[in-house]
Amino acid sequence: DQQVKQNSPSLSVQEGRISILNCDYTNSMFDYFLWYKKYPAEGPTFLISISSIKDKNEDGRFTVFLNKSAKHLSLHIVPSQPGDSAVYFCAASPRNTGKLIFGQGTTLQVKP
Amino acid sequence: DGGITQSPKYLFRKEGQNVTLSCEQNLNHDAMYWYRQDPGQGLRLIYYSQIVNDFQKGDIAEGYSVSREKKESFPLTVTSAQKNPTAFYLCASSTLTGTEAFFGQGTRLTVV
Repeated sequence: DQQVKQNSPSLSVQEGRISILNCDYTNSMFDYFLWYKKYPAEGPTFLISISSIKDKNEDGRFTVFLNKSAKHLSLHIVPSQPGDSAVYFCAASPRNTGKLIFGQGTTLQVKP
Repeated sequence: DGGITQSPKYLFRKEGQNVTLSCEQNLNHDAMYWYRQDPGQGLRLIYYSQIVNDFQKGDIAEGYSVSREKKESFPLTVTSAQKNPTAFYLCASSTLTGTEAFFGQGTRLTVV
């Protein structure tokens, strides 16, 4: 039972354009959401997060949007750069559990 | 400087042997986690611990064991009962809120 789903295995965008990565979840007990970036053979690195009491959080080129009614969040990268090419994982934390549950990941390729 | 260290980076073992993966953190984090990454399946939670001498099973705990004798250390043993042990293993740590977990660089285990 996949509680956090990233339905697009891959995404390709042109440098300078917007990259939009999507994530859906099923558990209404999730109260914190995160995005991680991962290069091959390395550990994921934290990018940006959002609490369930907010619907938007922005950090430089990265913005995360949360739609609680749709149980959907998205990561926008503007403008996209070739160095952004990596696998992006969304993750969710159920309230008071200390767990992080990850989606399957989306491979982003930014073409010069 | 602070961080989370996994060793070794690459590990080869014969089928039927137990093997222990090391994870150490000096971030003073209470929570520690073990994840497994397989192609196309994202990160799946094996075990997690929020306090010394206590740990909980994640989604795929069968065939694995852990211990948490010290706050800084959370070793994972892959036993011979694990049917498909070849994978990339990631250790992480966080504060008790479970947000913004920091990952190690991973251990690639290959069982031949």
